[in-house]
Amino acid sequence: AQSVTQLGSHVSVSEGALVLLRCNYSSSVPPYLFWYVQYPNQGLQLLLKYTTGATLVKGINGFEAEFKKSETSFHLTKPSAHMSDAAEYFCAVSDNGGTSYGKLTFGQGTILTVHP
Amino acid sequence: SAVISQKPSRDICQRGTSLTIQCQVDSQVTMMFWYRQQPGQSLTLIATANQGSEATYESGFVIDKFPISRPNLTFSTLTVSNMSPEDSSIYLCSFQDRAGNTIYFGEGSWLTVV
Repeated sequence: AQSVTQLGSHVSVSEGALVLLRCNYSSSVPPYLFWYVQYPNQGLQLLLKYTTGATLVKGINGFEAEFKKSETSFHLTKPSAHMSDAAEYFCAVSDNGGTSYGKLTFGQGTILTVHP
Repeated sequence: SAVISQKPSRDICQRGTSLTIQCQVDSQVTMMFWYRQQPGQSLTLIATANQGSEATYESGFVIDKFPISRPNLTFSTLTVSNMSPEDSSIYLCSFQDRAGNTIYFGEGSWLTVV
């Protein structure tokens, strides 16, 4: 079984500051990892994903994440926060080919607040 | 990128009624998935819908409450039956693209049961 833990249900940063949203996963097989963003009253938008290959992945809006197998982590970062980054962020894990192929297990979400 | 659309986007429903949500994808996909997001919560998988076979439900979800159809490779429906206020949620469909490494979501159907 897979699981995802997002550390911190709420994160608050100042505009221009570093954004760090933490995600740890548990998976019995090599995982696919995803970050999604949900703006207020909107659906889910894919920020970035890790499947295979380079462990540092870059996504939209200046976000990136690094897959660290030894730490079972996939933390999301952005060097400089913008007011428009205020949203809820979900980390998710998928089996990369086993019985759970295509199904996502989500973390509880982290609400990012950006202060002027 | 793939396009996936859901209808209705929002609805207010009376207690005891049923509502069917439609999900249309612009390409043929093998598996489609239905998720629920209750207010202030994360997403939980309801079921996996394969074309030509019965949907596979996750623990805590049953066919009588959430019947699913998958008549072809581009379309699926989820019905929320005999609704109660506890069914007020966002319902989202998703699929995995042919390359197998990106999972797309629809915009969601926001249901409020009164």
